[in-house]
Amino acid sequence: DVKVTQSSRYLVKRTGEKVFLECVQDMDHENMFWYRQDPGLGLRLIYFSYDVKMKEKGDIPEGYSVSREKKERFSLILESASTNQTSMYLCASSFLEGTGGAYEQYFGPGTRLTVT
Amino acid sequence: QKEVEQNSGPLSVPEGAIASLNCTYSDRGSQSFFWYRQYSGKSPELIMSIYSNGDKEDGRFTAQLNKASQYVSLLIRDSQPSDSATYLCAGDMNRDDKIIFGKGTRLHILP
Repeated sequence: DVKVTQSSRYLVKRTGEKVFLECVQDMDHENMFWYRQDPGLGLRLIYFSYDVKMKEKGDIPEGYSVSREKKERFSLILESASTNQTSMYLCASSFLEGTGGAYEQYFGPGTRLTVT
Repeated sequence: QKEVEQNSGPLSVPEGAIASLNCTYSDRGSQSFFWYRQYSGKSPELIMSIYSNGDKEDGRFTAQLNKASQYVSLLIRDSQPSDSATYLCAGDMNRDDKIIFGKGTRLHILP
């Protein structure tokens, strides 16, 4: 069974704090993803990594950065949290397809982040 | 803008009937399509993937892909109250390992 874990289920932070969200997968997947999900807006891709130390901006990267030092671990960093970053954050992983298509993504349980 | 579109619902279906969920997509070059189920407050869970035109069956679920018409559908036979959830359609939209999700259809199975 594919397992993707996230460091926290619920997190409350203050405006201006630096926030780290961590994700670990145990399936040797090359690809890892960070999404946020908001009512009415659906799932939106923040950042994508296809290999260690490699990253690619998604659709809404502003205000976020990422780190991938090991294949199984992908971290999302909010340098200075703001209230508009209150959301559900979802990590996912998949095998590399590499010819324009995509393989199935498997999701972690999510972190509900509240910034006050 | 590359998009995956779904009717937001709610779609109400009596228990034991067939639930039919539909999705259209904008990029004709898309190769891979996925259906996810998401319960309230939980993360998306993969139900089916489909890559070729036609039908793909897995238990009570059948995914259908028509690339010429650019639509994907999911049929759920013998619907159960536990099938009540939001169903997300997703496709690669020719974006190299990244997929775009629709906003989901809320399905309500009536006991």
